[in-house]
Amino acid sequence: TQLLEQSPQFLSIQEGENLTVYCNSSSVFSSLQWYRQEPGEGPVLLVTVVTGGEVKKLKRLTFQFGDARKDSSLHITAAQPGDTGLYLCAGAYRGGGATNKLIFGTGTLLAVQP
Amino acid sequence: GAVVSQHPSRVICKSGTSVKIECRSLDFQATTMFWYRQFPKQSLMLMATSNEGSKATYEQGVEKDKFLINHASLTLSTLTVTSAHPEDSSFYICSAFSGRKTYEQYFGPGTRLTVT
Repeated sequence: TQLLEQSPQFLSIQEGENLTVYCNSSSVFSSLQWYRQEPGEGPVLLVTVVTGGEVKKLKRLTFQFGDARKDSSLHITAAQPGDTGLYLCAGAYRGGGATNKLIFGTGTLLAVQP
Repeated sequence: GAVVSQHPSRVICKSGTSVKIECRSLDFQATTMFWYRQFPKQSLMLMATSNEGSKATYEQGVEKDKFLINHASLTLSTLTVTSAHPEDSSFYICSAFSGRKTYEQYFGPGTRLTVT
């Protein structure tokens, strides 16, 4: 069974602080995605990383895919209250057929206090 | 582009009744759609993969007779929760594969099901 463990599970920080969320697995994924989800809504895709060692930046968010494509990290610089939400990583793998299935990480609930 | 809708957004039903949830891809054709469920403050768990024109593939532990999936067209998949019980109360989310990239799915806004 493939598992994606995220850490930390919960994080409450003050506005302006930096933070890093980790997503780890013993499995290799063809790609890894990060989503942010707000209460009562579906997850919204932030980024997809495909190549081992890849780093992508999205404004104050920096995403890195591990060299072995088993882990990833999300770093947020100068967090703002609008960053509050549930952050989910998801690894893509072949589940049969032409489409990759996604296995979601355990989630990190972030609260940024003003 | 790549918008996915779900209907209804919220539904309350009595124990023993059936509820149908629709998932539509609004601006693209989706040969494959996925159904997930999510309990409060937990992650998404894949329930089944829905392929247009063929039977759905269910994940281990998901009862196919309880969660009926129909993917009758390239823009519509439905999930019917049959003989619902309070433990079926959850947030159900669908996603659709656009075909542009093998790894990208676009998620609907979710349906909150409450069984009383």
